[in-house]
Amino acid sequence: AQSVTQPDIHITVSEGASLELRCNYSYGATPYLFWYVQSPGQGLQLLLKYFSGDTLVQGIKGFEAEFKRSQSSFNLRKPSVHWSDAAEYFCAVYSGGGADGLTFGKGTHLIIQP
Amino acid sequence: DAGVIQSPRHEVTEMGQEVTLRCKPISGHNSLFWYRQTMMRGLELLIYFNNNVPIDDSGMPEDRFSAKMPNASFSTLKIQPSEPRDSAVYFCASTASATNTGELFFGEGSRLTVL
Repeated sequence: AQSVTQPDIHITVSEGASLELRCNYSYGATPYLFWYVQSPGQGLQLLLKYFSGDTLVQGIKGFEAEFKRSQSSFNLRKPSVHWSDAAEYFCAVYSGGGADGLTFGKGTHLIIQP
Repeated sequence: DAGVIQSPRHEVTEMGQEVTLRCKPISGHNSLFWYRQTMMRGLELLIYFNNNVPIDDSGMPEDRFSAKMPNASFSTLKIQPSEPRDSAVYFCASTASATNTGELFFGEGSRLTVL
C-alpha cells in the first residue's frame, strides 16, 4: 500500500519570503500526485497535480511543485508568500483502483508572519 | 459552476441525538466520498459510492454510522445515536470515476459538535 509523509507539522514563514513544503511518498510505480490547500473553515481545494510528463507543475495561486522520482518527493514551492497563504496543506498520492488508492498526508500548517 | 454542496455547515447537538448530514455532488460526477477530519486522526475516508452503490464502507467507525445515496444528486450520512467523540468536520467529495485520476472536489464541510 502507498503512504504519504509530510514531515513538517507546522511551518512559519515571513510574508514575502519563499516557501517549500515537503512531501515524500512510498509507492512502487509512478503515482498521481496532488497538493490540496484548506483555508480555515473551508474544504480542501486542489492546488496542483502531477500525472506524467514535465516534472515541474504549475498550480493556482502562484504555487508549483516538482516531482523527483529518485527521492520519491513532490515538494510544494512558492517564491513569495502572502498572508492569505496561511492554511493547511495536504499532499496526496493516488495509485489507482478506487478510493482506497488515494492517500492523504497528515498536513502541514503554514503560518505567515507579518 | 456549483461545487459540492453540504448541509448543515454547523450542527450542535446533544449526546444521543440523531444527526443527518447532507451532500449534493457536482452534476455529472458518479463517485461520492464521505471523509471525517479531526485534529488527532486527520482525514479519514468513511465510505465511498460509485454510481450510487456503496463500494467500501470499511472506514465507517461503527454501526451508529450509516450512509445512503438514493440518487445521483444526493447523499446522507447519519449518526444515531451521536456521541461526543463524533465531534469533527465531515467532508463530502465527488469525482467523475471514468477519468480515474484520484482528483477529488470537496464541499466546505459540516462541523459537528456533540455535547
